[in-house]
Amino acid sequence: QKEVEQNSGPLSVPEGAIASLNCTYSDRGSQSFFWYRQYSGKSPELIMFIYSNGDKEDGRFTAQLNKASQYVSLLIRDSQPSDSATYLCAVTRGGYQKVTFGIGTKLQVIP
Amino acid sequence: ETGVTQTPRHLVMGMTNKKSLKCEQHLGHNAMYWYKQSAKKPLELMFVYSLEERVENNSVPSRFSPECPNSSHLFLHLHTLQPEDSALYLCASSQMVTSLEGSYNEQFFGPGTRLTVL
Repeated sequence: QKEVEQNSGPLSVPEGAIASLNCTYSDRGSQSFFWYRQYSGKSPELIMFIYSNGDKEDGRFTAQLNKASQYVSLLIRDSQPSDSATYLCAVTRGGYQKVTFGIGTKLQVIP
Repeated sequence: ETGVTQTPRHLVMGMTNKKSLKCEQHLGHNAMYWYKQSAKKPLELMFVYSLEERVENNSVPSRFSPECPNSSHLFLHLHTLQPEDSALYLCASSQMVTSLEGSYNEQFFGPGTRLTVL
């Protein structure tokens, strides 16, 4: 079983729709959860962090965490072509302990 | 220079060469990382340095040798690499952040070095 699982995609959504990106993890001791965005040929950049069960909203982005189900998701409302990128889910037990990344989901927003 | 910089951006080397990758962070962070990113594989953590001490060595072959002379600089020395070592090598730095939601370790990545081993 992979430590962090994501569907590699591509996930195609029309412009203005909601994009839903999902991630599951195997380590029940995981404490912190991240979503990174990586444009083609660029390095990852952090867009969301979530620590507690429930939803966390930041602009058009909403991260959702369910520790009981070991499930993290990222919703992107009003998707724009500029959101087209690979979205990496990452988890860690905290501190400077190992951050484990998923393979990433490629999102394509169609104009 | 701002953020995290890496040099060179591209490197082609033979299996018998010795080369070094350099990373510099201008963010005042106290931890630095080396990651390997290969096609169709997750980012793989290679090494972590916190306060210039190695705190994580993720079973990396000895042909990769890290060096952290101070909190702003990180090197990855390469020798007798294999073609399967061809990948994007990313450096990152971080600082612990305390927020209302809790403490977390936000990593900032450099642009990476695209390494090709012939």
